[in-house]
Amino acid sequence: QSALTQPASVSGSPGQSITISCTGANIDVGDYKYVSWYQQYPGKAPRLLIYEVSNRPSGISNRFSGSTSDNTASLTISGLRTEDEADYYCGSYTSSGTPYVFGSGTKVTV
Amino acid sequence: QVQLVESGGGVVQPGRSLRLSCAASGFTFNTRGMHWVRQAPGKGLEWVAFISYEGSKKYYVDSVKGRFSISRDSSKSTLYLQMDRLTPEDTAVYYCARDPRIFLIGSAIPYLDLWGQGTLVTVSS
Repeated sequence: QSALTQPASVSGSPGQSITISCTGANIDVGDYKYVSWYQQYPGKAPRLLIYEVSNRPSGISNRFSGSTSDNTASLTISGLRTEDEADYYCGSYTSSGTPYVFGSGTKVTV
Repeated sequence: QVQLVESGGGVVQPGRSLRLSCAASGFTFNTRGMHWVRQAPGKGLEWVAFISYEGSKKYYVDSVKGRFSISRDSSKSTLYLQMDRLTPEDTAVYYCARDPRIFLIGSAIPYLDLWGQGTLVTVSS
C-alpha cells in the first residue's frame, strides 16, 4: 500500500500562511471524508490536529484548518509561528486492503 | 489523566520475538478500538494493526501479516502486540493509539485521537 504523497518540506516566515498538500486516490482521500492531520515534534509522539477533513479537536488552535478537493487534502497553517516547526502527516482510511494509510510527511520550517 | 503508556521495547536478534504492551488509563478502554503505528528511524509513520473494542476484528498491514498479532486484555486495560520472526526492517518506535469510535466495529478507521509516547524496538544481531 502506497503512502499518501506530501511535499518533503514547506517553509514560511512568521505571520505568513502555508499550505501542505496530501495527494491520494479515489480509494482514500477522494472517496471518503476520513482525512486527518497529525503534528509531530522531533522525538515526540504525533498529535491529532485535524480530523474528518476540517474538524479541530479541543485545544487545537484555529490557525490550523483543513480541506479537500478531488483526491487532494490540504492543511493550512495561518499566522505561522516558530512553534509550528514540526513534521506534519496526513492520514486516511483506504478501501485498498490495509484500512489506514499515512502520508509521507512534511517538514515545516519557520 | 487520559493516557497511553507503551513498554516492552528493546534490542532483539533477527528471527526472535518480542511482545509490546500499552497500558491505558483515564478512559473506558473496553469501549474503544486500538491501533499500533510504527516509525522507523528518520522515516515516516506506518500504520501497523487495529483491534476492535471487543477484540473480534483485527486488521494488519501486509508486511506484518502472519508475524505480528494484536490482542487486548480489558481486565487490565492493556493492549498488546506480539511480534514474531522479527527482521531488521521492523526496527522502529512503536506507538499505540486510540480509535475515536465508541462501541463500533468496522474497517473504516476515521482517525487516531490519542497516542502513547512510543517504545523503541531494535532488531539487530
